[in-house]
Amino acid sequence: DIQMTQSPSSLSASVGDTVTITCRASLSISSYLNWYQQKPGKAPKLLIYAASSLQSGVPSRFSGSGSGTDFTLTISSLQPEDFATYYCQQSYSTPWTFGQGTKVEIK
Amino acid sequence: EVQLVESGGGLVQPGGSLRLSCAASGFTFSSYEMNWVRQAPGKGLEWVSYISSSGSTIYYADSVKGRFTISRDNAKNSLYLQMNSLRAEDTAVYYCARDRSCDYWGQGTLVTVSS
Repeated sequence: DIQMTQSPSSLSASVGDTVTITCRASLSISSYLNWYQQKPGKAPKLLIYAASSLQSGVPSRFSGSGSGTDFTLTISSLQPEDFATYYCQQSYSTPWTFGQGTKVEIK
Repeated sequence: EVQLVESGGGLVQPGGSLRLSCAASGFTFSSYEMNWVRQAPGKGLEWVSYISSSGSTIYYADSVKGRFTISRDNAKNSLYLQMNSLRAEDTAVYYCARDRSCDYWGQGTLVTVSS
């Protein structure tokens, strides 16, 4: 199975900050990498697919980059509604696997 | 508007069975791959199972292989998960999600396995 490792596991940031979350795959997954946002008690929401493509309706302050084994989610100018948990997921081969999550908290 | 609505969750004893359903609307269901993904209380996301648009290709996580069965009825725009021999560690919110990229998710249905 492909292991997905996110870092950090949690972070504290202020409104207006730029936040970067990284995701590393245990082997190359090309660009088959998705990013999700989840708020408490809610279903996950797709933000970025294919490593860098912005899902329709998602604000442009979210961006993704990377290929192969190393990927990054960047949130520019953090907004109050962005405080949530973020997950990466590989869809290169089954079992699709998720990172352990990164909780973004208010500083 | 794409909508996915899960149902069928509840409390079941260890060793018991449940059948989850996911009703899809707002898109051409028969054209899309579907997944089940679960989340244990306070934990991260775990992919459970995948089915191709026609139902001809199916995959399972090792943790549920041999116990869970995914299926779909394209005429009824519905996805199913038959869960047998349930264990305490199967306790989770179960989500259906569209496509390999999981671009749309239902609201989830809670399955609790406990005596």
